Amino acid sequence: DIQMTQSPSSLSASVGDRVIITCRASQSVGYHLSWYQFKVGTAPKLLIYAASNLPAAGPSRFRGSGAGTNFTLAISSLQPDDFATYYCQQSHTDLPTFGQGTKVEIK
Amino acid sequence: QVQLQESGPGLVKPLQTLSLTCTVSGGSITRDGYYWSWIRQAPGKGLEFIGRVYTTGATDSSPALKSRVTMSIDTAKKQFSLKVTSVTAADTAIYYCARVRTTVVDSHYYMDVWGKGTTVVVSS
Repeated sequence: DIQMTQSPSSLSASVGDRVIITCRASQSVGYHLSWYQFKVGTAPKLLIYAASNLPAAGPSRFRGSGAGTNFTLAISSLQPDDFATYYCQQSHTDLPTFGQGTKVEIK
Repeated sequence: QVQLQESGPGLVKPLQTLSLTCTVSGGSITRDGYYWSWIRQAPGKGLEFIGRVYTTGATDSSPALKSRVTMSIDTAKKQFSLKVTSVTAADTAIYYCARVRTTVVDSHYYMDVWGKGTTVVVSS
């Protein structure tokens, strides 16, 4: 199985801050990397697919980059709605695997 | 837009069978380029892929759970289902259903719509 490692595990930030979350794969996954946002009591949301693609109607403040084994999710200006837990997920193999999550908390 | 809703018992006794259903609303369950998956998250643990079911009825599950998992789809009811047999406390988790979008180019797939999740506790 491909192991996905995110950092940091948690961070504190203020509204308006730029936030960067990284995701590293144990072997190359090409561009087969997605990012999701999880909030308690709501359906998880797809933020980025194919490493850098924004879904239709996805907020433009979210930007994904990277390829191979190193990926980044950047939030350009943190909004109150963005305090959540973020997960990366590889789809390079038939067995998708997820990072352990990064919790973004209010400073 | 498409919405997913998980349903099923919130409490299951050890060694019994966990059964969940995901109902699709606001869109087709047979649309080309999509299939359906189950994912779970145990308390304090990461997200774990359980398996996928195609509109043809074909299924594919995680090797770790393969021997205990059965999935099916009922296109007329716009539902797909998960059964996990011989459950233990380790099967206590939030269970999510998700729609998976696939692309022919580059063979990408990603979960573009999720249900809110349903909590299942295994306890006597």
